[in-house]
Amino acid sequence: DAGVTQSPTHLIKTRGQQVTLRCSPKSGHDTVSWYQQALGQGPQFIFQYYEEEERQRGNFPDRFSGHQFPNYSSELNVNALLLGDSALYLCASSSVSAPYTDTQYFGPGTRLTVL
Amino acid sequence: AQSVAQPEDQVNVAEGNPLTVKCTYSVSGNPYLFWYVQYPNRGLQFLLKYITGDNLVKGSYGFEAEFNKSQTSFHLKKPSALVSDSALYFCAVRPPLIKAAGNKLTFGGGTRVLVKP
Repeated sequence: DAGVTQSPTHLIKTRGQQVTLRCSPKSGHDTVSWYQQALGQGPQFIFQYYEEEERQRGNFPDRFSGHQFPNYSSELNVNALLLGDSALYLCASSSVSAPYTDTQYFGPGTRLTVL
Repeated sequence: AQSVAQPEDQVNVAEGNPLTVKCTYSVSGNPYLFWYVQYPNRGLQFLLKYITGDNLVKGSYGFEAEFNKSQTSFHLKKPSALVSDSALYFCAVRPPLIKAAGNKLTFGGGTRVLVKP
């Protein structure tokens, strides 16, 4: 049973550029959440996708956008990169069909460095 | 608004001794509580969760956690720590699920556990 996968593993960009991160959920899961983990901090919720729509959003600017595809995989896009966007980006998947017992399972993350 | 506090940045314990990692929470309604562990350069691994029922929850790798509603705490425990338990531990909370409202997790700042041989 494949777990949550993310690509790429590492990414280096310069300020002002745009980046796209990808996530494939755990088999059987239909909901994808994205989190940003800055160095030395806990993960911060960016947004969550279900049925190809953004269902919930955290306190992140519009430079952060996402997409979910019919196969439940997801992309996170960040425009106009800032130095402060350097972080580990974590994708988590869960199943809306088990709402009261759902557990979010995390991928290994993508380490983004903005120079 | 929901929040989680992990009052200790680091916990040091000798191998074989009991391990406790503290967590307190604030949320409206009955909380759903989670513990995750993170090894260097890795994602988060799920350890255990409290949804309802017994206040003592058992999870992976010999870990357990005790839910205390009156103290709004959910401390992680392991009776006998191993060197391999050295990692970063995160407590997380989410409010009771409202259909279609999402299941956003709010994390604490993390506690680094160092188990010495």
